Amino acid sequence: QKEVEQNSGPLSVPEGAIASLNCTYSDRGSQSFFWYRQYSGKSPELIMFIYSNGDKEDGRFTAQLNKASQYVSLLIRDSQPSDSATYLCAVISGNTGKLIFGQGTTLQVKP
Amino acid sequence: DGGITQSPKYLFRKEGQNVTLSCEQNLNHDAMYWYRQDPGQGLRLIYYSQIVNDFQKGDIAEGYSVSREKKESFPLTVTSAQKNPTAFYLCASSDRALAGQPQHFGDGTRLSIL
Repeated sequence: QKEVEQNSGPLSVPEGAIASLNCTYSDRGSQSFFWYRQYSGKSPELIMFIYSNGDKEDGRFTAQLNKASQYVSLLIRDSQPSDSATYLCAVISGNTGKLIFGQGTTLQVKP
Repeated sequence: DGGITQSPKYLFRKEGQNVTLSCEQNLNHDAMYWYRQDPGQGLRLIYYSQIVNDFQKGDIAEGYSVSREKKESFPLTVTSAQKNPTAFYLCASSDRALAGQPQHFGDGTRLSIL
């Protein structure tokens, strides 16, 4: 089992819809969770982080964390073509403190 | 502007050659990291440093070496022992290492074999 798992996609949504990106992790001791956006050929850009169970909203982005289910998600409301990118879920290992990345989910927002 | 600068953007390596990738940050961060990204893959940790003159191996350190002589700088050398060096190399920094804080990335260096 991979430490951080994401569906590679592509996830395709129409412009204006809600995109839902999911991530599961195996280390129950993990405390810090991050979402990065990576455009093709570019480096990852931090867009959200969440440390506590529940929802955290920032503009059109909402991160959701459920530690009991070991599940973290990212919702993008009113999706725009400019949101088309690969979204990387990353989790701080409770054992080592290192940042562990999933392989990423490719999102395509179609006009 | 505060940030992380990686150079060069593109680099080509010949057989048997060592090459060095530069990473400089002016964020006053204590911790710096090197990752490797292969196509369609997540990032894998090569080395990290929590403080000047100290660094630790990550998950795929074989064939790589680093130094941390200054807080601002964390160069990565890809040695000839690294048999499959073609990848996108990313440098990151954070305020402190292993403390649950977000890492921020430079623009990356693409390394290819000639």
